[in-house]
Amino acid sequence: SAVISQKPSRDICQRGTSLTIQCQVDSQVTMMFWYRQQPGQSLTLIATANQGSEATYESGFVIDKFPISRPNLTFSTLTVSNMSPEDSSIYLCSVEDLDGYTFGSGTRLTVV
Amino acid sequence: GEDVEQSLFLSVREGDSSVINCTYTDSSSTYLYWYKQEPGAGLQLLTYIFSNMDMKQDQRLTVLLNKKDKHLSLRIADTQTGDSAIYFCTWGGGNKLTFGTGTQLKVEL
Repeated sequence: SAVISQKPSRDICQRGTSLTIQCQVDSQVTMMFWYRQQPGQSLTLIATANQGSEATYESGFVIDKFPISRPNLTFSTLTVSNMSPEDSSIYLCSVEDLDGYTFGSGTRLTVV
Repeated sequence: GEDVEQSLFLSVREGDSSVINCTYTDSSSTYLYWYKQEPGAGLQLLTYIFSNMDMKQDQRLTVLLNKKDKHLSLRIADTQTGDSAIYFCTWGGGNKLTFGTGTQLKVEL
Protein backbone atom coordinates (compact mmCIF):
# COMPACT_ATOMS: atom_id res chain seq x y z
CA SER A 1 0.00 0.00 0.00
CA ALA A 2 0.96 3.65 -0.41
CA VAL A 3 3.09 5.32 2.22
CA ILE A 4 2.07 8.83 3.26
CA SER A 5 4.27 11.31 5.06
CA GLN A 6 2.20 13.97 6.81
CA LYS A 7 3.56 16.96 8.66
CA PRO A 8 3.53 18.58 11.04
CA SER A 9 2.44 15.83 13.39
CA ARG A 10 1.14 18.39 15.87
CA ASP A 11 1.07 22.12 16.42
CA ILE A 12 -0.26 24.68 18.84
CA CYS A 13 -1.37 27.86 17.09
CA GLN A 14 -2.70 31.24 18.06
CA ARG A 15 -6.22 32.12 17.03
CA GLY A 16 -6.41 34.19 13.88
CA THR A 17 -3.33 32.60 12.33
CA SER A 18 -3.15 29.95 9.61
CA LEU A 19 -1.47 26.54 9.45
CA THR A 20 -0.53 24.60 6.34
CA ILE A 21 -0.44 20.81 6.55
CA GLN A 22 1.50 18.81 3.99
CA CYS A 23 1.08 15.28 2.70
CA GLN A 24 3.61 13.50 0.51
CA VAL A 25 2.79 10.14 -1.06
CA ASP A 26 5.41 7.68 -2.28
CA SER A 27 3.45 6.95 -5.47
CA GLN A 28 1.33 8.87 -7.92
CA VAL A 29 -2.34 9.01 -7.02
CA THR A 30 -5.24 10.62 -8.80
CA MET A 31 -7.17 11.82 -5.77
CA MET A 32 -6.15 12.83 -2.29
CA PHE A 33 -8.64 13.30 0.50
CA TRP A 34 -8.56 15.55 3.54
CA TYR A 35 -10.45 14.64 6.72
CA ARG A 36 -11.10 16.29 10.04
CA GLN A 37 -11.52 14.41 13.31
CA GLN A 38 -12.83 16.63 16.06
CA PRO A 39 -12.08 15.61 19.67
CA GLY A 40 -13.86 12.39 20.53
CA GLN A 41 -15.59 12.29 17.16
CA SER A 42 -15.45 10.30 13.97
CA LEU A 43 -13.83 11.45 10.74
CA THR A 44 -15.52 13.88 8.39
CA LEU A 45 -14.41 14.44 4.82
CA ILE A 46 -13.41 18.05 4.16
CA ALA A 47 -12.56 17.90 0.48
CA THR A 48 -11.18 15.84 -2.38
CA ALA A 49 -8.09 17.19 -4.11
CA ASN A 50 -7.48 16.43 -7.78
CA GLN A 51 -4.33 17.39 -9.58
CA GLY A 52 -4.91 20.15 -12.10
CA SER A 53 -8.32 21.23 -10.88
CA GLU A 54 -9.95 22.87 -7.91
CA ALA A 55 -10.69 20.74 -4.89
CA THR A 56 -14.22 19.52 -4.32
CA TYR A 57 -15.53 20.53 -0.91
CA GLU A 58 -18.11 18.74 1.20
CA SER A 59 -21.11 20.45 2.66
CA GLY A 60 -20.08 22.72 5.52
CA PHE A 61 -16.54 23.30 4.29
CA VAL A 62 -15.45 26.20 2.10
CA ILE A 63 -12.34 27.02 0.15
CA ASP A 64 -11.71 30.32 1.95
CA LYS A 65 -11.41 28.50 5.26
CA PHE A 66 -9.63 25.37 4.01
CA PRO A 67 -7.68 26.19 0.84
CA ILE A 68 -6.08 23.14 -0.74
CA SER A 69 -3.22 22.83 -3.19
CA ARG A 70 -2.45 19.83 -5.39
CA PRO A 71 0.57 20.79 -7.50
CA ASN A 72 1.38 17.22 -8.62
CA LEU A 73 0.26 13.61 -8.26
CA THR A 74 2.26 12.93 -5.07
CA PHE A 75 1.72 16.02 -2.95
CA SER A 76 -1.05 18.11 -1.42
CA THR A 77 -1.46 20.76 1.24
CA LEU A 78 -4.40 21.81 3.38
CA THR A 79 -4.41 25.21 5.03
CA VAL A 80 -6.57 25.94 8.05
CA SER A 81 -7.13 29.69 7.82
CA ASN A 82 -7.99 32.31 10.42
CA MET A 83 -8.06 29.66 13.10
CA SER A 84 -10.33 29.62 16.12
CA PRO A 85 -10.41 27.16 19.05
CA GLU A 86 -13.21 25.31 17.25
CA ASP A 87 -10.66 24.27 14.61
CA SER A 88 -8.77 22.21 17.19
CA SER A 89 -8.89 18.75 15.65
CA ILE A 90 -6.84 16.04 14.05
CA TYR A 91 -6.50 16.56 10.31
CA LEU A 92 -5.70 13.56 8.14
CA CYS A 93 -4.95 13.08 4.48
CA SER A 94 -5.79 9.89 2.65
CA VAL A 95 -5.32 8.24 -0.71
CA GLU A 96 -6.99 5.31 -2.38
CA ASP A 97 -4.71 2.46 -3.32
CA LEU A 98 -4.96 -1.23 -4.10
CA ASP A 99 -5.54 -2.11 -0.46
CA GLY A 100 -8.32 0.40 0.11
CA TYR A 101 -7.71 3.80 1.62
CA THR A 102 -4.43 4.62 3.34
CA PHE A 103 -4.19 7.46 5.83
CA GLY A 104 -1.43 9.76 6.94
CA SER A 105 -0.50 9.74 10.60
CA GLY A 106 -2.49 12.92 11.17
CA THR A 107 -1.83 16.46 12.36
CA ARG A 108 -3.06 17.23 15.86
CA LEU A 109 -3.91 20.93 15.89
CA THR A 110 -4.63 22.90 19.04
CA VAL A 111 -5.77 26.51 18.69
CA VAL A 112 -5.36 28.71 21.73
CA GLY B 1 -28.09 10.95 3.99
CA GLU B 2 -25.52 8.39 4.92
CA ASP B 3 -25.50 7.19 8.49
CA VAL B 4 -23.28 4.59 10.15
CA GLU B 5 -23.97 3.69 13.76
CA GLN B 6 -21.78 1.81 16.22
CA SER B 7 -21.80 1.15 19.93
CA LEU B 8 -19.49 3.60 21.67
CA PHE B 9 -17.75 1.23 24.06
CA LEU B 10 -16.88 -2.43 24.42
CA SER B 11 -14.92 -4.03 27.22
CA VAL B 12 -13.62 -7.60 27.05
CA ARG B 13 -11.16 -9.77 28.92
CA GLU B 14 -7.89 -10.77 27.33
CA GLY B 15 -8.29 -14.03 25.44
CA ASP B 16 -12.03 -13.61 24.89
CA SER B 17 -13.59 -12.78 21.55
CA SER B 18 -14.72 -9.25 20.76
CA VAL B 19 -17.61 -8.46 18.47
CA ILE B 20 -18.01 -4.91 17.23
CA ASN B 21 -21.27 -4.15 15.45
CA CYS B 22 -22.21 -1.55 12.90
CA THR B 23 -25.43 -0.62 11.12
CA TYR B 24 -25.63 1.56 8.06
CA THR B 25 -28.38 3.14 6.05
CA ASP B 26 -26.96 3.49 2.54
CA SER B 27 -26.82 0.28 0.54
CA SER B 28 -24.99 1.67 -2.49
CA SER B 29 -21.53 1.02 -1.11
CA THR B 30 -19.13 -1.26 -2.92
CA TYR B 31 -16.75 -1.91 -0.06
CA LEU B 32 -17.10 -1.87 3.70
CA TYR B 33 -13.97 -1.37 5.75
CA TRP B 34 -12.84 -1.71 9.32
CA TYR B 35 -10.20 0.76 10.50
CA LYS B 36 -8.30 0.77 13.80
CA GLN B 37 -7.10 3.92 15.52
CA GLU B 38 -4.74 3.63 18.44
CA PRO B 39 -4.22 6.60 20.79
CA GLY B 40 -2.18 9.32 19.11
CA ALA B 41 -1.89 7.34 15.90
CA GLY B 42 -3.39 7.49 12.44
CA LEU B 43 -5.83 5.03 10.96
CA GLN B 44 -4.85 1.49 10.12
CA LEU B 45 -6.89 -0.52 7.64
CA LEU B 46 -7.68 -3.86 9.27
CA THR B 47 -9.80 -5.55 6.67
CA TYR B 48 -12.53 -4.96 4.16
CA ILE B 49 -15.36 -6.85 2.54
CA PHE B 50 -17.00 -6.50 -0.83
CA SER B 51 -20.69 -5.70 -0.66
CA ASN B 52 -21.51 -8.94 -2.52
CA MET B 53 -19.87 -11.10 0.16
CA ASP B 54 -21.37 -12.43 3.36
CA MET B 55 -18.23 -13.24 5.29
CA LYS B 56 -14.50 -12.73 5.21
CA GLN B 57 -11.93 -14.24 7.53
CA ASP B 58 -8.42 -12.92 7.95
CA GLN B 59 -6.42 -14.58 10.72
CA ARG B 60 -8.03 -13.46 14.01
CA LEU B 61 -10.52 -11.23 12.24
CA THR B 62 -13.92 -12.30 10.90
CA VAL B 63 -16.20 -9.86 9.12
CA LEU B 64 -19.88 -10.68 8.68
CA LEU B 65 -22.16 -8.71 6.39
CA ASN B 66 -25.93 -8.94 6.50
CA LYS B 67 -27.10 -6.85 3.57
CA LYS B 68 -30.76 -7.40 4.29
CA ASP B 69 -30.46 -5.89 7.76
CA LYS B 70 -27.62 -3.50 6.71
CA HIS B 71 -25.52 -4.87 9.53
CA LEU B 72 -21.77 -5.35 9.59
CA SER B 73 -19.75 -6.92 12.37
CA LEU B 74 -16.10 -7.45 13.19
CA ARG B 75 -15.11 -10.36 15.40
CA ILE B 76 -11.66 -10.42 16.93
CA ALA B 77 -10.69 -13.83 18.24
CA ASP B 78 -8.36 -14.22 21.24
CA THR B 79 -8.41 -10.48 21.95
CA GLN B 80 -5.10 -9.10 23.21
CA THR B 81 -4.21 -5.90 25.07
CA GLY B 82 -2.69 -4.60 21.85
CA ASP B 83 -6.16 -4.68 20.32
CA SER B 84 -7.26 -1.84 22.60
CA ALA B 85 -8.15 0.98 20.22
CA ILE B 86 -11.05 2.70 18.50
CA TYR B 87 -12.55 0.72 15.63
CA PHE B 88 -14.36 2.46 12.81
CA CYS B 89 -16.85 0.85 10.50
CA THR B 90 -16.52 2.61 7.16
CA TRP B 91 -18.23 2.30 3.87
CA GLY B 92 -16.96 3.45 0.53
CA GLY B 93 -19.01 4.72 -2.36
CA GLY B 94 -18.35 7.27 -5.05
CA ASN B 95 -14.72 7.80 -4.01
CA LYS B 96 -15.87 8.89 -0.59
CA LEU B 97 -15.59 7.18 2.77
CA THR B 98 -18.28 7.52 5.39
CA PHE B 99 -17.13 6.69 8.89
CA GLY B 100 -19.11 5.23 11.72
CA THR B 101 -19.10 6.81 15.12
CA GLY B 102 -16.35 4.47 16.30
CA THR B 103 -16.27 1.82 19.04
CA GLN B 104 -13.68 2.08 21.77
CA LEU B 105 -12.48 -1.40 22.65
CA LYS B 106 -10.90 -1.88 26.04
CA VAL B 107 -9.14 -5.15 26.76
CA GLU B 108 -8.77 -6.00 30.42
CA LEU B 109 -6.34 -8.48 31.91
